[in-house]
Amino acid sequence: AQTVTQSQPEMSVQEAETVTLSCTYDTSESDYYLFWYKQPPSRQMILVIRQEAYKQQNATENRFSVNFQKAAKSFSLKISDSQLGDAAMYFCAYMRGSQGNLIFGKGTKLSVKP
Amino acid sequence: GAVVSQHPSWVICKSGTSVKIECRSLDFQATTMFWYRQFPKQSLMLMATSNEGSKATYEQGVEKDKFLINHASLTLSTLTVTSAHPEDSSFYICSARDWTGGEETQYFGPGTRLLVL
Repeated sequence: AQTVTQSQPEMSVQEAETVTLSCTYDTSESDYYLFWYKQPPSRQMILVIRQEAYKQQNATENRFSVNFQKAAKSFSLKISDSQLGDAAMYFCAYMRGSQGNLIFGKGTKLSVKP
Repeated sequence: GAVVSQHPSWVICKSGTSVKIECRSLDFQATTMFWYRQFPKQSLMLMATSNEGSKATYEQGVEKDKFLINHASLTLSTLTVTSAHPEDSSFYICSARDWTGGEETQYFGPGTRLLVL
């Protein structure tokens, strides 16, 4: 069975600084997708970034980028120039290509200090 | 990104009553939707997969007769919590699978807070 592990329950970063959130996963599949979702206090799940397993190039979305290490089954999220609005729970998620349902990690609570 | 709505956002009901939650994909068609449950300070747990025109697939441990799912159209899935009890109080979130542009992504509704008294 696939599993997703986020080893950092809480992280803190100074405004304008850079922070990296860790995520590892376990799977025997070759076709899958990885996601980072943000959940602010409103509890709305917001897609931050996605990565297809077959793509070697790391995905980027403005200030957000990932370090995808397929062999190591690692998928970390880097947030550059952190802003107060980045404070939220961040969930790493795995999706098997043919199945569609998401398997979530336990989340990392990110605090941003002014 | 695509938009998914969920209604109601908040519901308080008495024990023993049934509650229906709607999930709609507003700007895309979703043959597959998912229902998750989230307890305070915890992650999302998949309850069931809702497929348009067919029966839902439930995760192990989820009672089919208690959590009725209907996916009657390509834009609407409903979750009915039947004979609700206080232990059913939780945050319920739906998501819809989108294949727009050849990229598969899931978009989430804003969630429904259920409180059973």
